[in-house]
Amino acid sequence: GAVVSQHPSWVICKSGTSVKIECRSLDFQATTMFWYRQFPKQSLMLMATSNEGSKATYEQGVEKDKFLINHASLTLSTLTVTSAHPEDSSFYICSAARAGGPSDTQYFGPGTRLTVL
Amino acid sequence: GENVEQHPSTLSVQEGDSAVIKCTYSDSASNYFPWYKQELGKGPQLIIDIRSNVGEKKDQRIAVTLNKTAKHFSLHITETQPEDSAVYFCAALETSYDKVIFGPGTSLSVIP
Repeated sequence: GAVVSQHPSWVICKSGTSVKIECRSLDFQATTMFWYRQFPKQSLMLMATSNEGSKATYEQGVEKDKFLINHASLTLSTLTVTSAHPEDSSFYICSAARAGGPSDTQYFGPGTRLTVL
Repeated sequence: GENVEQHPSTLSVQEGDSAVIKCTYSDSASNYFPWYKQELGKGPQLIIDIRSNVGEKKDQRIAVTLNKTAKHFSLHITETQPEDSAVYFCAALETSYDKVIFGPGTSLSVIP
């Protein structure tokens, strides 16, 4: 158990467009989901924490108007990169903590590679 | 805030040998320490975790040890196999903000 999926796995878009990335917990309910960004050969950087039904909590330096997060249900969170630019190109990874389980144990999705031309 | 350091940054071992990755953390209140394995182009996979009420945990070829006094914890992989080649991240829970902070990663190569 504890499978997390992301869609799409890879997306290429033009500068100025918006891209939505979905994160789903397939076999469990997740009260909390996390969004990370990872540049090549670097560690994971937490962007925001989202709790079902409430506004996301963004890390310092992350623009909430640029990276819109919606956690509409216990199995789905979405990240929308608005007006994407080449510097937004990165590997975006979500994770989920199981409802009723330890809030610190996270299960990661396979990631979404975003390339902005 | 929590600061997690990890060594070495790269590690090469012969197949069958053991690999050890060490991490230190700064938040003395941290009580949860997971380890993740990330293969190229994939998301991290939780391979083992330990909480501060134990000093060691083992799962087949993988073991983690925790020294709370010294604020360091280590990952031990025995009888390494080529499929163990990946980047390994240690992490620690930052209790003030209830979020997990990752180390910089160790790229492990197991040479057949």
